[in-house]
Amino acid sequence: QSALTQPASVSGSPGQSITISCTGTSSDVGGYNYVSWYQQHPGKAPKLMIYEVSNRPSGVSNRFSGSKSGDTASLTISGLQAADEADYYCSSYTSSSTLRYVFGTGTKVTVL
Amino acid sequence: EVQLLESGGGLVQPGGSLRLSCSASGFTFINYAMTWVRQAPGKGLEWVSTISDSGTFYSDSVKGRFTISRDNSKSTLYLQMSRLRAEDTALYYCAKSLPGSRAFDNWGQGTMITVSS
Repeated sequence: QSALTQPASVSGSPGQSITISCTGTSSDVGGYNYVSWYQQHPGKAPKLMIYEVSNRPSGVSNRFSGSKSGDTASLTISGLQAADEADYYCSSYTSSSTLRYVFGTGTKVTVL
Repeated sequence: EVQLLESGGGLVQPGGSLRLSCSASGFTFINYAMTWVRQAPGKGLEWVSTISDSGTFYSDSVKGRFTISRDNSKSTLYLQMSRLRAEDTALYYCAKSLPGSRAFDNWGQGTMITVSS
């Protein structure tokens, strides 16, 4: 199972909006509405930001939103803040032959 | 408050074995699927294994070498690792599943495994 494809880096100025893409296949991203997104600050554990493509867990800012079209999912961060600078990973459920998950390659978000 | 505390990491020689533990608190452990995810130094996240009501599941890279298990009476998740390879070197996180969502809503801080002679 290959990792989902994300851009290595995305940057934006404070207040701007950025979008991170996550491209898979019909066996994972395109086949299920089980895409999730995680934020990871250096030296810290990942934090769930979006689940089931577009749902936010309690406590996550509504500046974070998710969507999906075909085999590509996206995470949009609006009103970019310095605290948003981190690595972001997408993940998808896939059950090609048995239950499994696949993560994206990761995107470094830089706030200019 | 949900807490997950991994332990058992360390330095092990290639071909060796190690057992990781993840002690859980703040939720009814028996009701949740649990997962191990690892992160090699400077690299991305990699799903390793999940245990749920449906059974146990493994990535191709660890199948046949790692065994996931749980002791619900102790609210503890385990990962027995054998025939370790250099490429297993990573920080191993345990994570709790968000029911029905196929997502991981709580993570521990991780325990580091280094496989080296």
